[in-house]
Amino acid sequence: EVQLVESGGDLVKPGGSLRLSCTASGFPFSNAWMSWVRQPPGKGLEWLGRIKGKTDGETIDYSAPVKGRFTISRDDSRNTLYLQMTGLKTEDTAVYYCTTSFYDVLAGVRVYFDVWGTGTTVNVSS
Amino acid sequence: SSELTQPPSVSVSPGQTARISCSGETLSKQYVYWYQQRPGQAPILVIYKDSERPSGIPERFSGSSSGTTVTLSISGVQADDEADYYCQSADISGIYWVFGGGTKLTVL
Repeated sequence: EVQLVESGGDLVKPGGSLRLSCTASGFPFSNAWMSWVRQPPGKGLEWLGRIKGKTDGETIDYSAPVKGRFTISRDDSRNTLYLQMTGLKTEDTAVYYCTTSFYDVLAGVRVYFDVWGTGTTVNVSS
Repeated sequence: SSELTQPPSVSVSPGQTARISCSGETLSKQYVYWYQQRPGQAPILVIYKDSERPSGIPERFSGSSSGTTVTLSISGVQADDEADYYCQSADISGIYWVFGGGTKLTVL
């Protein structure tokens, strides 16, 4: 089964740091382009950044609001994606999702997969 | 600008067709993806690359594109379709994702 599971969400004080993890299963992780998306309470979705797969050089791009504070990385040996967050602010309070998409061939048919985890909650509060 | 604009809300009666628009300057050059999100759940992709439907998504869901506006149509709306819908695309470079503000679909 294709699956993503986030973990690491917690209550943290402003200015603090936190590392989120996203463990993948059921698909070839090393070549997958992986993204982080967050959703503040009662608000819309916000893309944070993406790391490309191994064959594409593992290039990383960040959205402007988090560039310099957040760091995306991956450990292909553990099938795990990370989001290191520093200098956390109250406005970083959100549910954080990891997501990926890819094509696979099932029974001779090319199928498009779009996968999201269930999310992990980060609460930045004093 | 890479912003995507959606109406905050759309209301339809059961059995009718709901149409949710998404407009943005880059949409004539970048694909659009549509997500359905029910309260407390992760988003689910319902349309990709403007008009393609993922496996398992009912044929009632369709996407269309005209210039800088794309539209998600849901025919024969059911109570279960009540959710927030987000369009997603990329900036002109294709590197940075951008989401629309979301549209709350209410089934009357």
